[in-house]
Amino acid sequence: DADVTQTPRNRITKTGKRIMLECSQTKGHDRMYWYRQDPGLGLRLIYYSFDVKDINKGEISDGYSVSRQAQAKFSLSLESAIPNQTALYFCATSPKGREGRQNEQFFGPGTRLTVL
Amino acid sequence: DQQVKQNSPSLSVQEGRISILNCDYTNSMFDYFLWYKKYPAEGPTFLISISSIKDKNEDGRFTVFLNKSAKHLSLHIVPSQPGDSAVYFCAASLGSARQLTFGSGTQLTVLP
Repeated sequence: DADVTQTPRNRITKTGKRIMLECSQTKGHDRMYWYRQDPGLGLRLIYYSFDVKDINKGEISDGYSVSRQAQAKFSLSLESAIPNQTALYFCATSPKGREGRQNEQFFGPGTRLTVL
Repeated sequence: DQQVKQNSPSLSVQEGRISILNCDYTNSMFDYFLWYKKYPAEGPTFLISISSIKDKNEDGRFTVFLNKSAKHLSLHIVPSQPGDSAVYFCAASLGSARQLTFGSGTQLTVLP
């Protein structure tokens, strides 16, 4: 079954550490996204990519970087983690063009990151 | 400045009754609106959507209504079932970029 997977599912780290969150998909979608969810704020877009080598900033990109190494993989890095980056992080994919159901995105299960 | 707002953080309804979840938006250029459902420890899953050129879309027990003049949409679930208990997110997209702007979510609890 085509899927979106995220690793790790949970991570606890300390302030100042470098962290990488991985996302892989077998859906064959061109577009990939990283969101974070905070209580009371819903999901906010960090970065998105429409193809390999294409990187675009979202609403809250400061303190984050991404890498699109292949169509199926999109990594999110926190170069120097800080406590207010404690959140639930979601990766999502969508097909190019209008093949999908009206802009539907498909989400991974999420990574819970805690920065102490 | 939140462009998509869900003003009710929680809603409880009895099984079999109608659940109505509301969402307001400020950007009149949004062209699609979507509802996602999220269970604990899982990612959001797509539920139903509506184009800005329509005022109603129905899929089984789920109906979404769009009132463009009021910049308001609502999700009706009827009849509500205990398995519908989840957080519901309203989202809006703009143009070919397909970026989604999400509301803060409403926790729906359906009581047996």
